[in-house]
Amino acid sequence: IVMTQSPATLSVSPGERATLSCRASQSVDSNFAWYQKKPGQAPRLLIYGASTRATGIPARFSGSGSGTEFTLTISSLQSEDFAVYYCQQYINWPWTFGQGTKVEIK
Amino acid sequence: QVQLQESGPGLVKPSETLSLTCTVSGGSITSYYWSWIRLPPGKGLEWIGYIYYTGSTNYNPSLNSRIAMSVDTSKNQFSLKLNSVTAADTAVYYCAAGLGPFDHWGQGTLVTVSS
Repeated sequence: IVMTQSPATLSVSPGERATLSCRASQSVDSNFAWYQKKPGQAPRLLIYGASTRATGIPARFSGSGSGTEFTLTISSLQSEDFAVYYCQQYINWPWTFGQGTKVEIK
Repeated sequence: QVQLQESGPGLVKPSETLSLTCTVSGGSITSYYWSWIRLPPGKGLEWIGYIYYTGSTNYNPSLNSRIAMSVDTSKNQFSLKLNSVTAADTAVYYCAAGLGPFDHWGQGTLVTVSS
């Protein structure tokens, strides 16, 4: 299953809302996750089951969608949120990731 | 809190075998499925495969013919071997825990394939 993220880069000012998209080439139901990746750090699970926040993830992160279209919304960007975000499907092997969306400071 | 730490050579010659080990602490190796995932420079994440403590494995078909994973429950470790490497295998390699969504990750180790 091919995961396609858009946009590749998103320029946002601190305090603004960021909306990231991911499309699956076939339905993955809700077997879908979002990760945050900062330079030199391991990826961190943000969202699983398409909309469930992982332990310790702030409420400003929310996930929505099912089937083939998914969205990650960061309601008010904080300085620590500037990073690369990856989506992933885990309904079919091989599990696959998107190419990433880089959220940068505008 | 489960913690993972990758170890192994940072430089491997073309056509040779890449060998990495992941040490699990803060939890039992019987508690999760254990995966290897890599991040090539300028590219996205790629799942390599997983192993369970029983030795059951599932590999990415794109790498299947070159991969072998093993687990050592006495040491709380699992390992990856990738043979016949090329420059395309240069990446940061992560070990991770979970079945599908990956709850815990190691810090990653850069492996460069070069003569």
